[in-house]
Formats: sequence, C-alpha cells, structure tokens
Amino acid sequence: NAGVTQTPKFRILKIGQSMTLQCTQDMNHNYMYWYRQDPGMGLKLIYYSVGAGITDKGEVPNGYNVSRSTTEDFPLRLELAAPSQTSVYFCASSYSTGLAGGYNEQFFGPGTRLTVL
Amino acid sequence: RKEVEQDPGPFNVPEGATVAFNCTYSNSASQSFFWYRQDCRKEPKLLMSVYSSGNEDGRFTAQLNRASQYISLLIRDSKLSDSATYLCVVTLPDKDSNYQLIWGAGTKLIIKP
Repeated sequence: NAGVTQTPKFRILKIGQSMTLQCTQDMNHNYMYWYRQDPGMGLKLIYYSVGAGITDKGEVPNGYNVSRSTTEDFPLRLELAAPSQTSVYFCASSYSTGLAGGYNEQFFGPGTRLTVL
Repeated sequence: RKEVEQDPGPFNVPEGATVAFNCTYSNSASQSFFWYRQDCRKEPKLLMSVYSSGNEDGRFTAQLNRASQYISLLIRDSKLSDSATYLCVVTLPDKDSNYQLIWGAGTKLIIKP
C-alpha cells in the first residue's frame, strides 16, 4: 500500500493564481482531512470529509474548497492565492466510526510546501 | 490561552540521557490524548496514545494527569534517532458526537552525541 500520497511536493504561486492540491489514499479510509502547518504552529484543520460526497469545514476554511467524489481522493482547491496561504499542507486519512471518544490513528501524506509570492 | 500548549524547546540532550516534556490542555472535556512525532520536513506519525493509567512502549512512557490537565512524555536512554518534534494532540467531542483534534505546536528535541 502506498498509504496517503500528495502532489505536488512543492509549488510557488503568484498572488491571485489558483491551484489544486491532490490527495489520494489506498487504505479505504472513511475519513480524510486537510491541514495546514505554519512555522512554530500546530496543525490547523482546513476541511474534512467523513465519506464520499460529504465534506465539512474545519477551523480555517476561508480561501479553500474541497470535494470528495470517491473514497480515495480528496483534492484541495485554492482560489485567488494570497501570501497568508504560504504554508505546508498535509492531507491525512483515518478509519473512524465517528463516535465520541472513538479515535483512530491518522495517517499523513508527505505534505505540499506552498509559497505564494 | 491556547487550548493545547507545549514548550517549543529545543531541548538539547546528550545521547543516553533521560528527557521529559509536558503538554497542557485547557478544556477539561478533553477526552483522548496522543503523542505524534514529526521529523524535520516530514509528516507527523503517531508515537503513542496516552491512557488514564499511563502507558509504556519500550523507552517511551506517557502519563496523563487529568487533575492538572497535562500529559507528559518521558524518553529514557535517548538515541540520536529520537531527534524530532513531538506533537501533543487532544480530542474534544463535538455536538454531533464526533470529535475534533486540537494539535499542539510541538516540542523540538535534539539528541547530541
């Protein structure tokens, strides 16, 4: 199993450009997540999905969009990139029942380093 | 006050020494607790869960103190390969009976030969 894969690894955008960060998992996990990690900060949840066709906002969703048409794929779309979106983006997945206290390990992709100039 | 706080470090520790660091959380409704490890410029990976009774995995021991609202990680006989950033994660139940994860910013550990 490849686990969670992300593309691209690195990207430089100009202000106002758009792009899609790709994320794919082959573990048949229900849950998928997008995080951003700024230097010296904890991971911040952008969006998450509990299954195909279902997505929900996390802590910092502004400026991003997601879709989940299949169990495997969870792309993150940046529209009108801004310097504040310079960060490392991690996609993760887990198998979870969603019950309170029912936590399952999150598996992360290698990350995408995005710079917006 | 941050929901989950960690000393950012770095902790500079000689190889073979014992090192411990804490993570404090502000919400008493926090349910589950975990330590993740993140190597430089890599993704986080689960190190261990933290149970109420404490748990040990080889050289690593994790403890939970609910009264004082902190968790700890102790590493014995530290190895050069233990150099990493250690992230504390806390779960909180939400109104839909799901949970949200709150991540600490991490404690950087450097093991020196």
